[in-house]
Amino acid sequence: QLVLTQSPSASASLGASVKLTCTLSSGHSSYAIAWHQQQPEKGPRYLMKVNSDGSHNKGDGIPDRFSGSSSGAERYLTISSLQSEDEADYYCQTWGTGIQVFGGGTKLTVL
Amino acid sequence: QVQLVQSGSELKKPGASVKVSCKASGYMFTSYAMNWVRQAPGQGLEWMGWINTKTGNPTNAQGFTGRFVFSLDTSVSTAYLQISSLKAEDTAVYYCARGGQWLDNWGQGTLVTISS
Repeated sequence: QLVLTQSPSASASLGASVKLTCTLSSGHSSYAIAWHQQQPEKGPRYLMKVNSDGSHNKGDGIPDRFSGSSSGAERYLTISSLQSEDEADYYCQTWGTGIQVFGGGTKLTVL
Repeated sequence: QVQLVQSGSELKKPGASVKVSCKASGYMFTSYAMNWVRQAPGQGLEWMGWINTKTGNPTNAQGFTGRFVFSLDTSVSTAYLQISSLKAEDTAVYYCARGGQWLDNWGQGTLVTISS
């Protein structure tokens, strides 16, 4: 079964970097995923697609501070030079034949 | 630029129906699938299903069959989500999102509140 696992919460200081993780279920380590950001009281926004080889394709207007990478079944979102507006929920998403799957989301707190 | 603009908030009584619209602009509507995603209060994102905008064929996710209907009007580049026999637990924000694989554009969301 295709499942994405995310830690419920993460925190980092203003100006620092943070790396969020999304783990694909067993047997699905070759899958690409997408990252989405949801700021408080707003709708989700597409950030980027991350492939199994670590290459990534960002959405329009996404700052260079946001980057993606991969290792095995893990897909990462790294945010550098953290700003207050980066405090948000981050969801990973993947797809199979005729289905979409979301991770449970990680709530990022900027200290 | 690509835009998905959804209809406004709705307040409905239990047992009623609601129809949420999602108007697309800035791209060829029939070139991308349209998905529907639910977010209950304080919860994460839940995929409800998708509709093939070329053929109009809908696919409902498990847990979203029966009362949930996806439809299109390609003449106005608009997708619809209709929910019938509304229950209190249908209270949520509903989003449309473009894409057959990664979802690369989202509507702003429509809050549907069910209350007697």
